[in-house]
Amino acid sequence: DTGVSQDPRHKITKRGQNVTFRCDPISEHNRLYWYRQTLGQGPEFLTYFQNEAQLEKSRLLSDRFSAERPKGSFSTLEIQRTEQGDSAMYLCASSLVGGIRNQPQHFGDGTRLSIL
Amino acid sequence: GQQLNQSPQSMFIQEGEDVSMNCTSSSIFNTWLWYKQDPGEGPVLLIALYKAGELTSNGRLTAQFGITRKDSFLNISASIPSDVGIYFCAGHGYNAGNNRKLIWGLGTSLAVNP
Repeated sequence: DTGVSQDPRHKITKRGQNVTFRCDPISEHNRLYWYRQTLGQGPEFLTYFQNEAQLEKSRLLSDRFSAERPKGSFSTLEIQRTEQGDSAMYLCASSLVGGIRNQPQHFGDGTRLSIL
Repeated sequence: GQQLNQSPQSMFIQEGEDVSMNCTSSSIFNTWLWYKQDPGEGPVLLIALYKAGELTSNGRLTAQFGITRKDSFLNISASIPSDVGIYFCAGHGYNAGNNRKLIWGLGTSLAVNP
């Protein structure tokens, strides 16, 4: 399978715990994005990387959230001291930057986070 | 943040019927994308549009980039039960700069009665 892969698919944790999610993009894609999605809403942008550089972070990304893409391939999203409001689906997407067209983003199946 | 106006919010149709949904923006867009999302899964790209007036098909799906650059529609012909899901429009505005951030609609939930 050469699509975007996310791990784990589901995570249940107690409030206050730290969690880390992983995303493996499509191999030749140099852009990687993180989104958060709650029920009845479209995905909300959190941050994105071009290669290993984190180029933009949303205001939604509080200081408890950190994302890395150390070698320009896979990425991790960590949430520290989780709160109930962090419960959501966390989606990763990747795309290939090239030319003047905005290359479409391809999504993984997400990590469903539930905070008890 | 900015959101697209997507309508209808939900549709309940009979198998075999055609479906039409649309998306509008208050500003000009240079890319329109249509995604389908099934429960518990990520959005899957259906159609990408890059030019005003462009009409693109993917099987029974047809989408168009509006001439004003502020709207797009998606049609599904002869619906089948597996068309059930949430359809999202998304796009890039001309002021997106280099960040390629997508702006999303709230989705159209489609139910098909066999």
